[in-house]
Amino acid sequence: QSALTQPASVSGSPGQSITFSCTGSGSDFDNSNYVSWYQQRPGEAPRLIIYDVNYRPSGVSGRFSGSKSGNTASLTISGLQAADEADYYCSSYIRGSTVVFGGGTKLTV
Amino acid sequence: QAQLAQSGVEVKKTVGASVRVSCKASGYIFTSHGVSWVRQAPGQGLEWMGRINPHTDNANYAQKFQGRVTLTTDFSTSTAYLDLWNLKSDDTAVYFCATELKLNALEPWGRGTLVTVSS
Repeated sequence: QSALTQPASVSGSPGQSITFSCTGSGSDFDNSNYVSWYQQRPGEAPRLIIYDVNYRPSGVSGRFSGSKSGNTASLTISGLQAADEADYYCSSYIRGSTVVFGGGTKLTV
Repeated sequence: QAQLAQSGVEVKKTVGASVRVSCKASGYIFTSHGVSWVRQAPGQGLEWMGRINPHTDNANYAQKFQGRVTLTTDFSTSTAYLDLWNLKSDDTAVYFCATELKLNALEPWGRGTLVTVSS
C-alpha cells in the first residue's frame, strides 16, 4: 500500500513563493498522473485546487501550480497571501481503484 | 451549481452501534459522477474511505474499511449513503462526501457530519 508523506508545517511571508512536497513510497504513485491537492481552512470542508498533477479547476487562482517528478509531487503558491493560510493535502489514485491522502501540511503566513 | 447536502451536523452513537450518513446531490446529473467518502478525526488529516459510481452502483473501499463500510445510492432522490458498522471510539470523526469531477478530483464537498462514538 502506497503512503504519501508531507512535511507537517511550512511558513512564509506575504508575497513570497512557497512549495509543498508530497513524496510517495510505492511505484503506484510514481506512475500516477492522478495527483490532486486540496486546501482546507479551519472549520471548513476541503477545496480542490489542483488535479491531474497540474490542472486548476475553474475559479482557482493562477497563483497555485502543481508538478510531479518521479516519486515527489509539488504544489507551489506564488505571491503568498494571508488568506492562503490553511492545511494542504496531496492525494493520489493508486492501484485497486483506491485513493490515498498525505498527512497534510499546515501553512502559516 | 453542484452542491452536496449532508444529513445532520452531529450524530452521537455508542460503541458497537452503526451509523448512516446521507449526502444529497443537486445541480448536476447524479449518475454522471462518482461520490467519494472521506473522514477526518479531530485534529487529524483526511482519510479516504471509499467511492461509489451512482450509475452502476459499483463501489470501491479502502482496505482498512473493507467489511465494515457499505456505500449505496438512491437514484430517485440523488442521494448517496455511507453505512458504518460496529462503531469504535476511534471512528469519531467528521465524515465528508464529495463529488468526483473526474478520477481523484473531488469537488464539491459536503459540509461534513460529525459522528461521535462513546462508550
